[in-house]
Amino acid sequence: EIVLTQSPGTLSLSPGERATLSCRASQSVSSNYLAWYQQKPGQAPRLLIYGASSRTTGIPDRFSGSGSGTDFTLSISRLEPEDFAVYYCQQYGSSPGTFGQGTKVEIK
Amino acid sequence: QVQLQESGPGLVKPSETLSLTCTVSGGSISSSYWSWIRQPPGKGLEWIGYIYYSGSTNYNPSLKSRVTISVDTSKNQFSLKLSSVTAADTAVYYCARGSGCYLYWGQGTLVTVSS
Repeated sequence: EIVLTQSPGTLSLSPGERATLSCRASQSVSSNYLAWYQQKPGQAPRLLIYGASSRTTGIPDRFSGSGSGTDFTLSISRLEPEDFAVYYCQQYGSSPGTFGQGTKVEIK
Repeated sequence: QVQLQESGPGLVKPSETLSLTCTVSGGSISSSYWSWIRQPPGKGLEWIGYIYYSGSTNYNPSLKSRVTISVDTSKNQFSLKLSSVTAADTAVYYCARGSGCYLYWGQGTLVTVSS
């Protein structure tokens, strides 16, 4: 199975700053089938990005995804208070689909 | 707008079988794949498996020997059974629509394995 490693584990930033989250795969992700989710305490994950760079309907354009092959990035251009949460990447190009361990974006 | 709701016991004894049901509303179950995903407390997400409305399934190899997912199209529901549970199976269990990435999720239900 493909192992996804997210870095950093925790990102301490202030509102208005830019966040850059990394997701590295142990082998190439087929067709760049890579998704990003946001999860807040007590809630189900929320799909932000699919296909590495396509934003889900309703997701603000401050969220953007990029990358291909084994290296992917989620960027949040200007952090809003509601963006502080845990973010997971997921590959769905090969079975079993797997998730990264998560990056927590916390208020500095 | 598709909505999903998990239901089932919140406490299961070790060695017994965990059983959960996901009820789909706002859309027909006969139009997609349907998945189960779990998250141990304070940890990451793990895909358990999915079922197509026709009944075909795909399971995570790490759980395959213990998992059964079934569908009841007449009730717009699909179900998860996980046998021989241990404390390591304690988690929030989510149902979701799809077999790849997941736009629609249930709210999740915590299942604790304890005697």
